[in-house]
Amino acid sequence: EIVLTQSPGTLSLSPGERATLSCGTSQDVGSDSLAWYQQRPGQAPRLLIYRASTRATGIPDRFSGWGSGTDFTLTISRLEPEDFALYYCQLHGPSLFFGGGTMVDIK
Amino acid sequence: QVQLVQSGAEVKKPGASVKISCKASGYTFARYAMHWVRQAPGQRLEWMGWINVGNNNRKYSQKFQGRITISRDTSANTINMELSSLRSEDTAVYYCARDLYSSSLDFWGQGTLVTVSS
Repeated sequence: EIVLTQSPGTLSLSPGERATLSCGTSQDVGSDSLAWYQQRPGQAPRLLIYRASTRATGIPDRFSGWGSGTDFTLTISRLEPEDFALYYCQLHGPSLFFGGGTMVDIK
Repeated sequence: QVQLVQSGAEVKKPGASVKISCKASGYTFARYAMHWVRQAPGQRLEWMGWINVGNNNRKYSQKFQGRITISRDTSANTINMELSSLRSEDTAVYYCARDLYSSSLDFWGQGTLVTVSS
C-alpha cells in the first residue's frame, strides 16, 4: 500500500494570498497518477487536478499542480472566499489511495 | 449535464447488509468506469472498488473483499454497491463517482449516509 501524506494539516490564510499544499507519497509514483480534490462542508469532493498538473474541466487557472516521483504540490495563486475548504490528494491508476487532507481556513 | 443521483440514507443493525444505488444521466453510461468511495466521520476518503460498466469487470479494495459487491443495470443506467456483515466502523457517507482518466474521479454522487447501530 502506498501512503500519501499531506502537509500542512491546516493552512490559515487571508483572501488574496497564495496557498501552497504538499502531498508526499511513500513510493515513487511517476508524474501521471496524482489528483487533487476540493471538498466543502457537506458536499462531495470536486476534482481540481489530475495527472499531477492537468486542470479538470471548469477549474479556474488560479489552481495549478505540479510534481513527480514522491513530491507533489497544489498551488492556489490568489485565494477567493470559495476556496476555503478541505483539499485531498489522491493516487490514481491501478491503485487508489487518498491523503489525509489539508484544511485551508480563513486567517 | 452529468448527474449521479444516489439512493437515500440508511440505518442498519450490525451484521446486516446495505445496498446503495447510483443513477447516472447526461452521458453515455457504458463509456465510463464507476467507483465507490466512502468517508467515515472525521476520516480520509477511502476507495472501496470499481466497475467497468462496459464489460462488467470489477475490482475491489482488499479491505472489503468478500463483503462488497458492485453491480450494474445498464437498462436503468444504474450501479449498485452492496456491503454485507456491517459493523459500527462502516458508518460513513458512501459516494459513487465517475472515472475520468485512470481512476481520477470527475463527477460524484451526492453521497449516502449509512449508519450502523444496534
